Amino acid sequence: QVHLQESGPGLVKPSETLSLTCTVSGGSVSSSNYYFNWIRQSPGKGLEWIGYIYDSGSSNYNPSLKSRVTISVDASKNQFSLKLSSVTAADTAVYYCARMRAVAAFADFWGQGTLVTVSS
Amino acid sequence: EIVMTQSPATLSVSPGERATLSCRAGQSVSTNLAWYQQKSGQAPRLLIYDASTRATGIPARFSGSGSGTEFTLTISSLQSEDFAVYFCQQYDNWPPITFGQGTRLETK
Repeated sequence: QVHLQESGPGLVKPSETLSLTCTVSGGSVSSSNYYFNWIRQSPGKGLEWIGYIYDSGSSNYNPSLKSRVTISVDASKNQFSLKLSSVTAADTAVYYCARMRAVAAFADFWGQGTLVTVSS
Repeated sequence: EIVMTQSPATLSVSPGERATLSCRAGQSVSTNLAWYQQKSGQAPRLLIYDASTRATGIPARFSGSGSGTEFTLTISSLQSEDFAVYFCQQYDNWPPITFGQGTRLETK
């Protein structure tokens, strides 16, 4: 059974960089069969796909966030990470990591989610 | 970006009755559509993919149908644990992957 777990600060100041890590167990982040994603959920915007990393290096981002997002992978720790720069209050959300199948991008496993609040 | 529109926003149904939830895509997504259930304080859970295929462990009372731009999730006989928020998601034309705004299924 695949398990994903988010970790990182729950409070980030405006204009700073939000950093989260997702630890994967029961499967490899290096697998070419899956995309490893970040998705967020805020009351105002519902579920928003942020981006994914694939095959230990290829990435793809939501055009609306692309200029501020970096997703990277640490295969030695079976983790992948999210960095979102220049955050504002609009970036306050529950952030989920999730696995999607490469052949059809629906999310079959999700982390429990972590709330990140942007506030001074 | 493909806009996904769900209706109604809230659906009130009695336990044991049938619930029908709708999802409309702004352009054809073929059958590249998934449905998720989300309970309060939990992550979404995959119910249906490829418009009509139930995910592992999902009860037979959940069924999906549709293609192109019109999709339906039907819960044939509502159980107490089915009252939750349901989202649709397209994966036909991306990035970005896009989700509907959700339908809240509540007890009548």
